[in-house]
Formats: sequence, C-alpha cells, structure tokens
Amino acid sequence: DIQMTQSPSSLSASVGDRVTITCRASQTINDNLSWYQQKVGEAPKVLVSAASTLESGVPSRFSGRGSGTEFTLTITSLQPEDFATYYCFQSYSTFYSFGQGTKVVI
Amino acid sequence: VQLVESGGGQVKPGGSLRLSCAASGFTFSSYNMNWVRQAPGKGLEWVSFISASSTYIFYADSVKGRFTVSRDAADSSLYLEMTSLRPEDTAVYYCAREAWVGRPFIDFWGQGTLVTVSS
Repeated sequence: DIQMTQSPSSLSASVGDRVTITCRASQTINDNLSWYQQKVGEAPKVLVSAASTLESGVPSRFSGRGSGTEFTLTITSLQPEDFATYYCFQSYSTFYSFGQGTKVVI
Repeated sequence: VQLVESGGGQVKPGGSLRLSCAASGFTFSSYNMNWVRQAPGKGLEWVSFISASSTYIFYADSVKGRFTVSRDAADSSLYLEMTSLRPEDTAVYYCAREAWVGRPFIDFWGQGTLVTVSS
C-alpha cells in the first residue's frame, strides 16, 4: 500500500503569512494527488486536484505543485478563514490513502 | 449535489450496522463512490470504493472481510454493511463522490454519520 506522509503535522502562522505543506508518497503516484481543507465539525472540501489544478471557487492564494513522490500545497497571504486542517490524498493505487493531516493554527 | 448519510448510532462490539447514503442532484449511476471515515480527533481514513456499475469494489485492509459496500441505482443510494464491529471502528463515516477530470479525486462529501462501538 502507498503511504502518504505530510509535514509538518502542525504549524503556527499569522494572517498574511506564506505557508507551505509538503506531502510525500512512499512510491510514485504521478500526479494522482489532491488536497483537502477541513474545518472543525465540517466535512472536508477539495482545494486542488491532479496535483496542481485549483478547483472551482477556491481562492487563487492556494496552489499545488509536484509530481512523482513529492508534492506541496502553498497558501500565500494566509487569511483568517484558512485556519484549518489540510490533507493530501492519493488516488493512484486501487487502495487510496490520505496523509495524516497538517493543522494550521494561529 | 447532495449526499445524505444515515444509519449511524451506538452498537456493541461484535455487532452490525448498515449505513446508507442518499444521493441527489446528479446522475448517481455515472459516478464511482467512496466511504471515508474519521475517528474522533483523528485524521481521514479511506474505507471503501465502488465503481459506477459495481464492477470494481475495494476495501482498506482494516475493514476487509467485515464491511460490504453496495449501491442501488434505482433509488440513488450507497450502502455500507458493517459487521463484527470493533471499538476502533468508532468514527464519523462520510459518503464521498469521486470525480474524474484527468485524475480521480473526491469532489463532494456528505455531512457524515457517527458510529460508536462501545459496550
């Protein structure tokens, strides 16, 4: 099975900061990688698909990059509504898997 | 698009439960579907996949042999039959639609239904 490892597990940031979250796959997954944002008490929401495609309605301050085994999600100019937990998700193998999550706190 | 889960509740270890997910607002029979769960205070865990025509079905190792996913195109519903439940199965269970735009990804989630396995 493919293991997804996110770093850091949590980070402290301020409004206006640039934040980068990394996700590494235990084997190549090409660009079968998506990113999700989850706020407390809510279902996850997709931000990025196919490693770098910003989904409809997602602010342009979010961006995704990477291919193969290493991927990043960057938030430029962090906004108050961006404080949440972020997950990467691989859909390359028949057994999908999530990263363990990165909590972005004030 | 709307996905509404139901059927959660409290059950004793070794017990069974059947979750349902009612889909609306899209052509259910054209989409692959997934179940994803989240234990209290923990991260997301993929549980199961079923293809649009039910031809392909996959499970996470943690539930294989105990959980069965199925779907009914006539009433646009997804199901998860859970047996031999364990305390570690306690979680919010989400029904999730899979989109395919070059690569598969989950584009819509239900609000989740809580399953608690406890004596």
